[in-house]
Amino acid sequence: AQTVTQSQPEMSVQEAETVTLSCTYDTSESNYYLFWYKQPPSRQMILVIRQEAYKQQNATENRFSVNFQKAAKSFSLKISDSQLGDTAMYFCAFMKQDTGTASKLTFGTGTRLQVTL
Amino acid sequence: DTAVSQTPKYLVTQMGNDKSIKCEQNLGHDTMYWYKQDSKKFLKIMFSYNNKELIINETVPNRFSPKSPDKAHLNLHINSLELGDSAVYFCASSRFLVREGGETQYFGPGTRLLVL
Repeated sequence: AQTVTQSQPEMSVQEAETVTLSCTYDTSESNYYLFWYKQPPSRQMILVIRQEAYKQQNATENRFSVNFQKAAKSFSLKISDSQLGDTAMYFCAFMKQDTGTASKLTFGTGTRLQVTL
Repeated sequence: DTAVSQTPKYLVTQMGNDKSIKCEQNLGHDTMYWYKQDSKKFLKIMFSYNNKELIINETVPNRFSPKSPDKAHLNLHINSLELGDSAVYFCASSRFLVREGGETQYFGPGTRLLVL
């Protein structure tokens, strides 16, 4: 079974600064996908970024980027130029590659990020 | 033009009642899911359907019964509600690619269920 660990329950960052959220995972699978989802106070789960394990290049989406270290089983999220609207709970999630069937997301416990003025 | 919608958004009910939550997606996806988020914000898969067929059924009490009338809809019926069922229930959907797998899941807004 896979496990996902987010060791930072809460973090705070000032507007315009950069913050990094940590995520580690444990799996014996070689092919899998990793995701970061954001859950603002509205409760909506919003996809932030996705990484395929077979890709060495780190995924980037505008101000969001990841540092994917496959050997270390680490998948951190960097938010640059933080904005007030980035205030949310951030969840790291793992999905193994199950060809031929639907795959479930295994989530970490989340990191609550507060962006301050 | 909401992609994944759920009704109702809030549900307050008494212990022992039966209730249903509805989910609809207009993304043309083949696969739909139910996740439960507990009071500590932990999210866990409950069920998954692909083209109306049950694929994933995690250890969920059989008081929970999903139903998929067509591939755009996945409903969750809960019998004999208990206090521990209080949570936020999320519906999600994704494409289904046999060869690749790993399709991104898109979530609905969640239904907050409170059992008194």
